[in-house]
Amino acid sequence: SQTIHQWPATLVQPVGSPLSLECTVEGTSNPNLYWYRQAAGRGLQLLFYSVGIGQISSEVPQNLSASRPQDRQFILSSKKLLLSDSGFYLCAWSLAGPRYGYTFGSGTRLTVV
Amino acid sequence: AQTVTQSQPEMSVQEAETVTLSCTYDTSESNYYLFWYKQPPSRQMILVIRQEAYKQQNATENRFSVNFQKAAKSFSLKISDSQLGDTAMYFCALFSGNTPLVFGKGTRLSVIA
Repeated sequence: SQTIHQWPATLVQPVGSPLSLECTVEGTSNPNLYWYRQAAGRGLQLLFYSVGIGQISSEVPQNLSASRPQDRQFILSSKKLLLSDSGFYLCAWSLAGPRYGYTFGSGTRLTVV
Repeated sequence: AQTVTQSQPEMSVQEAETVTLSCTYDTSESNYYLFWYKQPPSRQMILVIRQEAYKQQNATENRFSVNFQKAAKSFSLKISDSQLGDTAMYFCALFSGNTPLVFGKGTRLSVIA
């Protein structure tokens, strides 16, 4: 069966520090991968998605970047965090053309101080 | 462009009662898929139910069912015999074309004992 792992679960980082959040999927090949951000009590904002290795689509121009160095690995990064980067980050995967929906990771709560 | 609208930011229901969450959507595609996701306080996103647009029959999953009105572009979620564990944020989502899922802004449901 397919599983998705996302870490860390919680992170407190100072302003100006770098960020690296990692997401890996097991049990499937060539998944579509997604990064979302969710402010407290709010909806989901799509940040990046990838349909293959090295293929990244950015939905929101901002302080973040994403990379997909391996088929089932998706990394969200920042060189210098801002206070506004605080939030809950969710990774998800789907089959090509998500007609069966997404499976989400357990999320990372990021607080920038 | 695809849109998903959830017009009820918050709702509450007594335990064991029935509640209906509303969702309307817009797409120019003839083939599409609709989803309801549940996000409990743990913030783990869980797929509740899925509907294929070309299927007339409304989807059901145990106590969860949908009322899919294709002409009206409406996709409501009915929760029967509400339980305390149903307390969560509920998101309606649409997949059409070849783009990532589009999510509504969510409805916060509180089940009261």
